[in-house]
Amino acid sequence: KQEVTQIPAALSVPEGENLVLNCSFTDSAIYNLQWFRQDPGKGLTSLLLIQSSQREQTSGRLNASLDKSSGRSTLYIAASQPGDSATYLCAVDYGNKLVFGAGTILRVKS
Amino acid sequence: DAGVIQSPRHEVTEMGQEVTLRCKPISGHDYLFWYRQTMMRGLELLIYFNNNVPIDDSGMPEDRFSAKMPNASFSTLKIQPSEPRDSAVYFCASSLRLAGAKETQYFGPGTRLLVL
Repeated sequence: KQEVTQIPAALSVPEGENLVLNCSFTDSAIYNLQWFRQDPGKGLTSLLLIQSSQREQTSGRLNASLDKSSGRSTLYIAASQPGDSATYLCAVDYGNKLVFGAGTILRVKS
Repeated sequence: DAGVIQSPRHEVTEMGQEVTLRCKPISGHDYLFWYRQTMMRGLELLIYFNNNVPIDDSGMPEDRFSAKMPNASFSTLKIQPSEPRDSAVYFCASSLRLAGAKETQYFGPGTRLLVL
């Protein structure tokens, strides 16, 4: 069964801290892996997409890594800001569907 | 482009009533997806269409749920009759092509459904 797990479920940090969100998946036959952001009452916004042949992707203060063989991905957020507060979802693409993790609720305190 | 548009944004109904959720995908996108998000089960794919044709409906929970895409710019998700356990946020998403290429899905704002 294709399962995606995210750790931690929730995280609260002071502004300015660097932080890491973790994602693991059981089936390594993936096409790509995506990290989404979800704000309360809103839809999902794609942050980063890593193709299965890639090791990492960067966008501004965000860096996502992928280790397909071990079934793991991390999202690194540098110099966190209150505006980063949201739920972060990891989604694994198996070619015909996205399988989502339960998400990590991030709160960055000012 | 205005992005994926969903209506209504909120729906409150009584058990047994018919509920119709609507979605307008981004123009030119060939794929349309319906998801359901609950606290217990997270985000789950219900059904997806390619060029208006349903491809995979294995996520549709039961026969009370049905989805149609009469044309490239409109899709509906219908629940009849609705039950309290159907209460959730329903998202519609669209993409240019299916996964496997470097293509993400674009999500609408969702419809928050409450069945009393």
